[in-house]
Parts: sequence; structure tokens; C-alpha cells
Amino acid sequence: AQSVTQLGSHVSVSEGALVLLRCNYSSSVPPYLFWYVQYPNQGLQLLLKYTSAATLVKGINGFEAEFKKSETSFHLTKPSAHMSDAAEYFCAVSADTGRRALTFGSGTRLQVQP
Amino acid sequence: DADVTQTPRNRITKTGKRIMLECSQTKGHDRMYWYRQDPGLGLRLIYYSFDVKDINKGEISDGYSVSRQAQAKFSLSLESAIPNQTALYFCATSDLTGDQPQHFGDGTRLSIL
Repeated sequence: AQSVTQLGSHVSVSEGALVLLRCNYSSSVPPYLFWYVQYPNQGLQLLLKYTSAATLVKGINGFEAEFKKSETSFHLTKPSAHMSDAAEYFCAVSADTGRRALTFGSGTRLQVQP
Repeated sequence: DADVTQTPRNRITKTGKRIMLECSQTKGHDRMYWYRQDPGLGLRLIYYSFDVKDINKGEISDGYSVSRQAQAKFSLSLESAIPNQTALYFCATSDLTGDQPQHFGDGTRLSIL
């Protein structure tokens, strides 16, 4: 079984401030982990993925995430928020060996204040 | 052109009607998925298909059926729509490598009155 918990359904930061979106996962086997972003009226777009290689993963738009097995976490960060980062972010896990359907977290809506 | 195309983009219908949502892809991927998105619940898997002859139920398949007409086409049907099926529906694809992330269409917003 696999599951994902995203802490905080809404996060608000000032432009230029650090962005930290939290994700914890549960998996009985080594997981693959993903972060997606959804802009209004659009589908999901992949930001980055962890697939058992380097634990610090860099993605698009300046985002990165670190896989911490001991904490079962995969938090998403960006050093300096931009207004265009305002969107909803989803963490997802894929761990069913041979059947890689994603399980999504409930999402975190990021607001960026000027 | 989009790699994953969903039609229609928006649909309003009445309780009890049969509805079909269609998805086509040009990525050449074998695997296709239907998800449902509700506010505060994220995306939940309805059905998935690993090839034309391999179709599987997801976590919320009750009230839905699917058809994989070809590698590139995967349709979702609501045989008798009910208001709590009002949601945003996404089709997604992935290839066979396992760690390949899924590629999403832009969604179908379905409202059932």
C-alpha cells in the first residue's frame, strides 16, 4: 500500500521568500516520488521526480526536493518565490511494483504576495 | 497539438444521463489512466489500462466504466450520472519504463445537475 500526506492545504509567501511545501509518504517498497504543479484551468505538469538515484532532485522553474528515507519525506523547496509560482502543487508516490499508478496527495495551494 | 487530448473540455448534464468522456494520445504510450479531481482530495484513480487487453479498476471505479478502443484511445463512461460525480476528470499516459511520469490532458469539467 502507498499513501501521501501533504501538510498545509494553503501556503502563502512573499515574493522573494523561500518556498517550502511539505510531503510525507508511506510505502512498503522503495518509492518513486513526484511533484506536479497545476495552474488554473490546466492539467498537471511534472516539476521533478525521484527514482532512487540522487536524493536531491532538481526540477524545472528553480524547484528542488530532497528525498529523506529516515523521515519518509520529499519536501519541495524554491529559494526565492516568484509571482508566477502561484498554483496548486501535488506530491505523488508510485510504489506498486509492476503497476505504477500514482497515488496523489490532496494538494497545496501556493499564494505569492507582492 | 497537445500530446493528450480530452473531449469535451466542459459538460453539463442531468442526473441519469449516460456520458462518455474521451481521451486520445499521440505519445505512443501503452499505459493510460483516468483520474478524478475533487477540491481538497487531490486526484483519485478511477481506471487504468496497461494495454488494449489489460484494464484495471482503481480506487473509485464504482459508477464508471471504460473502453480501450486502441493504443491511443481510452474512454470513460458514466452509465447513469449522479450529482456526486460532478468533478474535474483527467486522462493521463505513461510508457513502460516504470519511472516514467504520467502525462496529463487538460481535463474535462463535468457538472451533473
